[in-house]
Amino acid sequence: QKEVEQNSGPLSVPEGAIASLNCTYSDRGSQSFFWYRQYSGKSPELIMSIYSNGDKEDGRFTAQLNKASQYVSLLIRDSQPSDSATYLCAPSNTGFQKLVFGTGTRLLVSP
Amino acid sequence: DTEVTQTPKHLVMGMTNKKSLKCEQHMGHRAMYWYKQKAKKPPELMFVYSYEKLSINESVPSRFSPECPNSSLLNLHLHALQPEDSALYLCASSQAVGMDYGYTFGSGTRLTVV
Repeated sequence: QKEVEQNSGPLSVPEGAIASLNCTYSDRGSQSFFWYRQYSGKSPELIMSIYSNGDKEDGRFTAQLNKASQYVSLLIRDSQPSDSATYLCAPSNTGFQKLVFGTGTRLLVSP
Repeated sequence: DTEVTQTPKHLVMGMTNKKSLKCEQHMGHRAMYWYKQKAKKPPELMFVYSYEKLSINESVPSRFSPECPNSSLLNLHLHALQPEDSALYLCASSQAVGMDYGYTFGSGTRLTVV
């Protein structure tokens, strides 16, 4: 079992729709969870962090965490073509010594 | 200053060359990281420095040699690399290891080994 699993996609959504990105992780000691956006040829950019079970909203982005199910998700409302990128899920390991990145989900938002 | 600066942006080197990658941050962060990213793959951790001391080496071959001269600067010395080492090398920093903050990444150095 991989440490962090994401559907590689591509996930195709029309402009204005909700994009739902999912991630499961294996380290039960993970306490902090991050979502990064990476445009092709660019470096990862932090867009959301979540530490407690439940939902956390920031603008068009909502992160959801369920530690019992070892599941974290990212919702993007009113998706825009500029949201087209690879989204990387990154839980911390136990003790937060490092971030472990999932394989990423490629999102394509069509006009 | 909220940036991590990496130089050079692009590097082409032969298998017998010695070169260095440089990373600098002035955010007062005490943890710095080197990641390697191949095309269509996630970043893979190579090294972690905490308070200028190496705290994690993810079994990286000795042809990669990290150095942290001070709290703002991180180098990666390269020697006798192989073509399969061609990748995007990313530097990142965070407030400290063990703290619940995400990393800030530099723009990366795209390395090609010929």
